[in-house]
Amino acid sequence: GESVGLHLPTLSVQEGDNSIINCAYSNSASDYFIWYKQESGKGPQFIIDIRSNMDKRQGQRVTVLLNKTVKHLSLQIAATQPGDSAVYFCAEKNNAGNMLTFGGGTRLMVKP
Amino acid sequence: DSGVTQTPKHLITATGQRVTLRCSPRSGDLSVYWYQQSLDQGLQFLIQYYNGEERAKGNILERFSAQQFPDLHSELNLSSLELGDSALYFCASSVGLVAADTQYFGPGTRLTVL
Repeated sequence: GESVGLHLPTLSVQEGDNSIINCAYSNSASDYFIWYKQESGKGPQFIIDIRSNMDKRQGQRVTVLLNKTVKHLSLQIAATQPGDSAVYFCAEKNNAGNMLTFGGGTRLMVKP
Repeated sequence: DSGVTQTPKHLITATGQRVTLRCSPRSGDLSVYWYQQSLDQGLQFLIQYYNGEERAKGNILERFSAQQFPDLHSELNLSSLELGDSALYFCASSVGLVAADTQYFGPGTRLTVL
């Protein structure tokens, strides 16, 4: 079946550095790609999304890049802080319905 | 705080039993989704309701069912529970049905089947 997956299960970065979390997807028909952050004991928290007709979108300290040619999605976090430590999930959805298909998650650890 | 509430936070029960999980969506949201998060399967979509009607089904077992009430809260019923049903169950809500509508997740219910 079609799925969304992640390259790296764990990413460790120094506080203040930039972080890049990657994701590969296989469904070319997906209309939206979304990043969620999940802290321990909490539900997924929406970070940012990008529509399939865009290749870049910026938020507060975060940027999502979409490369449809190689079916790759990335989340860049600028000046990573201890509070950014969490598991990050990429997800996709299409206009056949609003349900999310999640990738496996990447754990981001920020070293002080 | 996403505005989505779920009760109970924790639930411990025995195999063969039946439980009901409850979700209240954000104010104004008509669409409710249920997801299961387990260690081996990750986050998986179960079922979606919109304004009281079922709209989409994912990998939901026949032992599981859900409904959305006129006040828009939703319940997920899990019956004939098995050890493998132990997981986190999340509810999410969105304003509508289109892909542009962001889904906001509740804090989840942790189900442990002994």
